[in-house]
Amino acid sequence: SSELTQDPAVSVALGQTVRITCQGDSLRDYYASWYQQKPGQAPVLVIYGRKNRPSGIPDRFSGSSSGNTASLTITGTQAEDEADYYCNSRDTSGNRVVFGGGTKLTVL
Amino acid sequence: QLQLQESGLGLVKALETLSLTCTVSGVSISTSNYYWGWIRQPPGKGLEWIGSIYNSGSTYYNPSLKSRVSISVETSTNQLSLKLNSVTAADTAVYYCARHSALNTLGWWYANWFGPWGQGTLVTVSS
Repeated sequence: SSELTQDPAVSVALGQTVRITCQGDSLRDYYASWYQQKPGQAPVLVIYGRKNRPSGIPDRFSGSSSGNTASLTITGTQAEDEADYYCNSRDTSGNRVVFGGGTKLTVL
Repeated sequence: QLQLQESGLGLVKALETLSLTCTVSGVSISTSNYYWGWIRQPPGKGLEWIGSIYNSGSTYYNPSLKSRVSISVETSTNQLSLKLNSVTAADTAVYYCARHSALNTLGWWYANWFGPWGQGTLVTVSS
């Protein structure tokens, strides 16, 4: 079992805003990062250090955190955003890097 | 441009040792101030961190795999390697290497992230 909990599936209408969450006690102390993975492809970093976007990532992707929950928000969701999204941080001991179980985003 | 490419045998027999190599291009592992990590993903499942290594050779591993895993760096070829022994069917997965960035203050590693990633290589453990 993962120490970071994500909803298995989320859906959003084209052009709308969606929030994908990641919960875990360690998130009170450690920053989250977020990855997008499309079928048959390697994950791609979309948010690091809670809210920073790597170069080349559209600004419709944003990250935030409050208490034990980190969030990835996609504003104006596009069809190409349909993918699996994973959060990543450390466990409560700080000794282990952990990933959430992933959220499958469907764009309607 | 930093690129990573995994390679190795795609089929390993149960109880034998899985060996993979990750070739890094675009940056020298030995002079970069980054960790380099291995992550795996069983078919249809989520991501699992295996372990990471710094250019000095300092390593840290997922406690659940620590007894079976070894990660090393070969600076002359700019490669990192992964060895996982005594494999079982549960080790069947796509294995990725990635640059592992981290931020720390006073020894507290408060942020970490992986990117870019290699394309991944599927390793199947057969009985």
